[in-house]
This record gives sequence, C-alpha cells and structure tokens, in this order.
Amino acid sequence: KQEVTQIPAALSVPEGENLVLNCSFTDSAIYNLQWFRQDPGKGLTSLLLIQSSQREQTSGRLNASLDKSSGRSTLYIAASQPGDSATYLCAVRLSWKDTGRRALTFGSGTRLQVQP
Amino acid sequence: ETGVTQTPRHLVMGMTNKKSLKCEQHLGHNAMYWYKQSAKKPLELMFVYNFKEQTENNSVPSRFSPECPNSSHLFLHLHTLQPEDSALYLCASSQDQAHQEQYFGPGTRLTVT
Repeated sequence: KQEVTQIPAALSVPEGENLVLNCSFTDSAIYNLQWFRQDPGKGLTSLLLIQSSQREQTSGRLNASLDKSSGRSTLYIAASQPGDSATYLCAVRLSWKDTGRRALTFGSGTRLQVQP
Repeated sequence: ETGVTQTPRHLVMGMTNKKSLKCEQHLGHNAMYWYKQSAKKPLELMFVYNFKEQTENNSVPSRFSPECPNSSHLFLHLHTLQPEDSALYLCASSQDQAHQEQYFGPGTRLTVT
C-alpha cells in the first residue's frame, strides 16, 4: 500500500525566505505526482504536476522536483510571501498497471505560515 | 475558480436526517471523485466514477451513497450519519481516470450533530 509522508508538518518563516517542503512515498512505481495548495476550509488548488519521466516542474516562484527511485519530491518556494500561507499537499498516482490504486494518495500536508 | 462547484458549502444535519451533496463540473471531464478530509488526517478517496460508471469504492460505509447521473454531475446521498462523519467533503474531476490532473471543488463542510 502506497504511503505518502510530508515533513515538516508545520513551518513558520519570515517573509522573503526561500523554503523547501518535503514529500516521500513508499512505492516508487508512480505515474505522476501532484502538489496542491489548500487554504483553510477551502478546496485544493493544483500547483504543479510532475510526470514520472520528469525531474522537475516550475511555475513562477515554485519549483517541484521528483526523484522517483528514492521516493522523494520537494517543493521549493522562492522569496516567500504572506500570501503563500496555506497547507501544501503532495499526492501520488500509481502506475496504470496497478489497477487497484488509480486515484491519488495524499500526504497529511505541511502547514506553512509566512510572517510579514 | 477551478470549474468544479459544490453545494451546499456548509451543512449541519442530525443523525436521523437524509441529505445530499452536489458536485458539478464545467470542464468537460469524464471522471469524478469524492474525497473525505477529516481533521488531522490525509484526504481519503471515497468513490470514483469514470464515464458515469463507478470504478472504485474505497470500503465506504453504506450510509454514504453516490450517484452519477451524467459525466457533469455527482451526488453523495447521506443518511443516518454518525458524528465521526463530520468532515470536509471534496469533489474532484479529471479528463478521465487514466492519469490525468485532478481539479477540486471548494468542498462541503459537513457537521453531524
């Protein structure tokens, strides 16, 4: 069974800092990995999707990397802003051949607070 | 705005009530999902529908009954719920079930009293 772990569970940083959020997964036979942002009491917003054949994806100040063999992904946020405060979730989708696990498996998230 | 809407946004119901959650997507997608998000737990997949057919039921109790009348609409019918069912229920859609990026609705915050 795929398990997804996110470290740290919570993080508080001053505005302007660069930071790294970590995600690890136990089954490396993934098809893709997706990073989401969730504001309190709200739904999820997709940030980046990395296919298993890719090493990284970038969107603005966000950069996500994937090391499938070691079961790790990182989300790098450059020059953090108070508006980045949210919970960041990592989710993996197993390979298509694993027909019992087609949907996403989520981590518990990292709750980020950026102090002005 | 992700193109996935959910109603109601908040719902309080007693254990003997019957209510329904609604999800609608305007993206032309063919797969729709129900997730449950409880406090301090990861999102849990409940059901998956692909082209209106249920393809996954993640051992969900029968007091939760999904319905997918067409590819754009998904319902979750609730009856005789328990207080521990209180959670944020999230709907998502994707182009189809095969490996595509999922788009989430804002969720329905359910409180069972």
